[in-house]
Amino acid sequence: DTAVSQTPKYLVTQMGNDKSIKCEQNLGHDTMYWYKQDSKKFLKIMFSYNNKELIINETVPNRFSPKSPDKAHLNLHINSLELGDSAVYFCASSQGTSDEETQYFGPGTRLLVL
Amino acid sequence: AQKVTQAQTEISVVEKEDVTLDCVYETRDTTYYLFWYKQPPSGELVFLIRRNSFDEQNEISGRYSWNFQKSTSSFNFTITASQVVDSAVYFCALSEAVRGDYKLSFGAGTTVTVRA
Repeated sequence: DTAVSQTPKYLVTQMGNDKSIKCEQNLGHDTMYWYKQDSKKFLKIMFSYNNKELIINETVPNRFSPKSPDKAHLNLHINSLELGDSAVYFCASSQGTSDEETQYFGPGTRLLVL
Repeated sequence: AQKVTQAQTEISVVEKEDVTLDCVYETRDTTYYLFWYKQPPSGELVFLIRRNSFDEQNEISGRYSWNFQKSTSSFNFTITASQVVDSAVYFCALSEAVRGDYKLSFGAGTTVTVRA
C-alpha cells in the first residue's frame, strides 16, 4: 500500500550507459514530479507532469527525458550517463490543486555513475 | 536568487533540549504555500506541515511547533524536548504556482543531530 514507489532503489552504472527510473503513485493524484538531490543534499525540481502533460521543465540536459504513460506513472530516462548525474532522484506526486497540493515523495533512487 | 534560506547548516543538541530551525523565504506572489520536510538518515522525505500564505496561525503538533510570520517572511520550526529519533535533515520549502502547477523550491536544509 505504498503511496509513491520508485524502482530501482539503487542503480550503479558506467558512464555512457542509458538507464531508466520508474515511479508509480496510487494516491489518485493528477500531478507528478522528478527532483534531483545532489551530494550536498540540495533538492531541485527537474520536471512536473499534470495528467500526462509536461508542465515544468527546468534547465535539465536533453539527456533526461520524462515519460508519463498514464497519470499514475512518471518514468525518467537518462541517456549517455555522466559522472555528474550521480545523485538521488526523487519522484513526488500531488493533487495539483490549490486546496491540496502537498507533494508526497517516493523513497528515492540512488544513482551512482562510475 | 535563492527563494528559501535556511541559514543554519548544522545544529547539535543534547536530548531533551529544544531546537529551533530558521527559514526565511522570498516571493512576489500573494498566494503561496510553505512546507517543512524531514529527511532521516534512511533517506526518505517525510512531509511534516503545510501552511498557506493566508493562514498565519501558529501550529503545534506534539513536540513540533511552527511559527509563521509574514511580516518577516519567516516560517520557523521548533522541536521541543528533542529526542535521538529527531536526528535528520530538515528542509523548508516554498510552493508557488507555475502555469497552473506548483513548484517546490527547497532551502539547503539544516542537519539536526540529537545526542543521547
